[in-house]
Amino acid sequence: EDQVTQSPEALRLQEGESSSLNCSYTVSGLRGLFWYRQDPGKGPEFLFTLYSAGEEKEKERLKATLTKKESFLHITAPKPEDSATYLCAVQAHGGQLTFGSGTQLTVLP
Amino acid sequence: DVKVTQSSRYLVKRTGEKVFLECVQDMDHENMFWYRQDPGLGLRLIYFSYDVKMKEKGDIPEGYSVSREKKERFSLILESASTNQTSMYLCASRTRTGLNYGYTFGSGTRLTVV
Repeated sequence: EDQVTQSPEALRLQEGESSSLNCSYTVSGLRGLFWYRQDPGKGPEFLFTLYSAGEEKEKERLKATLTKKESFLHITAPKPEDSATYLCAVQAHGGQLTFGSGTQLTVLP
Repeated sequence: DVKVTQSSRYLVKRTGEKVFLECVQDMDHENMFWYRQDPGLGLRLIYFSYDVKMKEKGDIPEGYSVSREKKERFSLILESASTNQTSMYLCASRTRTGLNYGYTFGSGTRLTVV
């Protein structure tokens, strides 16, 4: 059974304080690992897809990396508008996504 | 932009009622999905559909059914609503040719069963 575990559950940062969110997974035959951002009361919004170990993707202050067991979402010099819940999901050969519980990030001004 | 529209943002229903949650996508996507999201449990797959008239059970289908009569519309039905079905319901779609592109989600329907 595919499993995704995200840590920490919640993270509070001061504006400008860089940090990383972790997503560890077990899946047979990884087709892709996805990161989403979710604002309160809204649906998840797609950020990145990573396909193989060693791959990295960047978007503004966010950088996602992938190893064979986990993915990190690095947030560099975050701003209050980066506050959201960040979700990680894996896709195996079956095609459906399996999601983690998310990390709720709060960036204080 | 792909748009996935869920008909209601908030719903309050009584125990035992039959509830319909509607989802429409405008990008001719073949695949559609229904999830529920609860604190600490993440998103859990209820049902999905690979194409019109097709449906597959997800991880937690009990108490739910679905209908996909047209490609753009995927309905989730709570046959007899119960309080443990109070949750945020999220619909998503994906093109079959973009299996590695993840899903596009709607804004969600927050259902409260009293």
